[in-house]
Amino acid sequence: DIQMTQSPSSLSASVGDRVTITCRASQSISSSLNWYQQKPGEAPTLLIFAASRLHIGVPSRFSGSGFGTDFTLTIKSLQAEDFGTYYCQQNYGPWTFGHGTKVEVK
Amino acid sequence: QVHLQESGPGLLKPSQTLSLTCSVSGASISSGGYYWNWVRQLPGKGLEWIGYIYYTGNTYYNPSLKSRVIVSEDTSKSQFSLKLSSVTAADTAIYYCARAAADYGNAIDVWGRGTTVTVSS
Repeated sequence: DIQMTQSPSSLSASVGDRVTITCRASQSISSSLNWYQQKPGEAPTLLIFAASRLHIGVPSRFSGSGFGTDFTLTIKSLQAEDFGTYYCQQNYGPWTFGHGTKVEVK
Repeated sequence: QVHLQESGPGLLKPSQTLSLTCSVSGASISSGGYYWNWVRQLPGKGLEWIGYIYYTGNTYYNPSLKSRVIVSEDTSKSQFSLKLSSVTAADTAIYYCARAAADYGNAIDVWGRGTTVTVSS
């Protein structure tokens, strides 16, 4: 299995802060990396696909980058509604998710 | 708008077979370019992909669950289903059905609301 390691596991930031979440794959996955946001009691929603492509309707403050084994999700200016847990997912091999990064807005 | 809805028993005993159905509206499961998935979330934990079925009937499963999983489809009812055999307490989770789209790099773009399954004697 391809293991996905996310960091940090949690963070707390203020509105307007720049937030960065990283995801590392245990082997190269090209650009087969997606990012999801999950709010408590809800299903996840797609933010970024193919490492850097913004899904329809997702605010432009979200961006993704990376290739191979190292990937980053950036929130340019954190908003109050951005709380939740963020997951990376690879679909290069049998699909696997990272363990998640819980984001708290101060 | 595409809508997915899970249904099935919420409580099982160990060794039983979990059977869930996902009803799809607003899209055809017979159309190419979409993968129909099952994903679960263990209590207070992250997400685990279970497997998918493609419109051709081809399936692809998580290797760690493959020996116990069958995903099938009923195109006449616009439904796809999950069977997970020999369940234990470790299979207690929220089970989501979800669609992945080739247009989005096979990322999951539509999720059901999820159904809670508890395995307990």
